[in-house]
Amino acid sequence: LAKTTQPISMDSYEGQEVNITCSHNNIATNDYITWYQQFPSQGPRFIIQGYKTKVTNEVASLFIPADRKSSTLSLPRVSLSDTAVYYCLVGEQYGGATNKLIFGTGTLLAVQP
Amino acid sequence: DGGITQSPKYLFRKEGQNVTLSCEQNLNHDAMYWYRQDPGQGLRLIYYSQIVNDFQKGDIAEGYSVSREKKESFPLTVTSAQKNPTAFYLCASSIGAASGYNEQFFGPGTRLTVL
Repeated sequence: LAKTTQPISMDSYEGQEVNITCSHNNIATNDYITWYQQFPSQGPRFIIQGYKTKVTNEVASLFIPADRKSSTLSLPRVSLSDTAVYYCLVGEQYGGATNKLIFGTGTLLAVQP
Repeated sequence: DGGITQSPKYLFRKEGQNVTLSCEQNLNHDAMYWYRQDPGQGLRLIYYSQIVNDFQKGDIAEGYSVSREKKESFPLTVTSAQKNPTAFYLCASSIGAASGYNEQFFGPGTRLTVL
């Protein structure tokens, strides 16, 4: 069972780049690394997913080293609206047809003006 | 609009009563999931279903029951056997393909308070 470890909280200021690192030492060969964002009293929302190297989309970048034992979510120029909990997950295949995601406690990112 | 809906948003029940939480999706997804979230905690998987008329226990299934009679619907019943039912309940769905990772889409959640 691949478990993830990430900081409980981080603080930042508007306009800064934020990097949240997650460790997943027991990641399996077929596992993907995925990040979700959750605002209070809402369901989590998919941000980005990767397998190795670097992935970039319109909201974030994901850096994954060659050994895949860790990953870093990078949020460029954060704003107040980026204040949320960010979850790092390692996707598990269960029965070949369903993703059984393991959510940790996440990282609470607080962006200040 | 395609999406996943949960109702009601807030639910209050007396201790000892069973209560059913609704989850509906029109994304044509095969897989559906129920999670529970307690304050300051991550999500914990209660039940999941890969296909109609089939479902599996997650990590904390005791005191809960589900059904999957239709592809679009995956209701969760919180029974009186659940010792600490007050929580935020989240439903999700995913395509459920045979291989690869599938993004899970979450509903807005139902906050259940047992008095």
